[in-house]
Amino acid sequence: DAGITQSPRHKVTETGTPVTLRCHQTENHRYMYWYRQDPGHGLRLIHYSYGVKDTDKGEVSDGYSVSRSKTEDFLLTLESATSSQTSVYFCAIQESNLNSPLHFGNGTRLTVT
Amino acid sequence: KQEVTQIPAALSVPEGENLVLNCSFTDSAIYNLQWFRQDPGKGLTSLLLIQSSQREQTSGRLNASLDKSSGRSTLYIAASQPGDSATYLCAVESGYSTLTFGKGTMLLVSP
Repeated sequence: DAGITQSPRHKVTETGTPVTLRCHQTENHRYMYWYRQDPGHGLRLIHYSYGVKDTDKGEVSDGYSVSRSKTEDFLLTLESATSSQTSVYFCAIQESNLNSPLHFGNGTRLTVT
Repeated sequence: KQEVTQIPAALSVPEGENLVLNCSFTDSAIYNLQWFRQDPGKGLTSLLLIQSSQREQTSGRLNASLDKSSGRSTLYIAASQPGDSATYLCAVESGYSTLTFGKGTMLLVSP
């Protein structure tokens, strides 16, 4: 398995609270991604990073922010959680940004009540 | 906008059968196509990556083909086993850090 650790694995939070999910990699890959997976929608890209302090928005970035202060860590923050953000969140890493397979973490299941 | 479709959504076969999973995409301007498997409660595991200049890739009992001009890929699984039961997803890379996923085919191989 690629060295990707997501924390926490499960979280229940209340509407309106901020939440931060962490992705940690030991592969020293430059590219890191946050996806959410929902029934009927498949995997959708939230934000991605192409280096320390370099990030960009994905398809469903509203309500989310990210930070990458070190190569190995990529944080996803829900600024004020809503029920529509109940989902399974996956972090992925990629060695180069083309023609290189993505490696995924085991996900964080987030429930917003 | 790139769209990726996987048919069938679910498939059930007895052990030992050879099977084919299908993936189609709407925009043929791709860099590569990737196949993944996902076990319940787990992340995605990369199976095969076919670059746009390639026609197929093989790994063990898995063979993936790519016909870019027609917007289609197939994943062939030979001599299926119960351990192959999982959801299989395809994804196309249309640009830098731009990977579009299908919704997957849920495969059940019964002993």
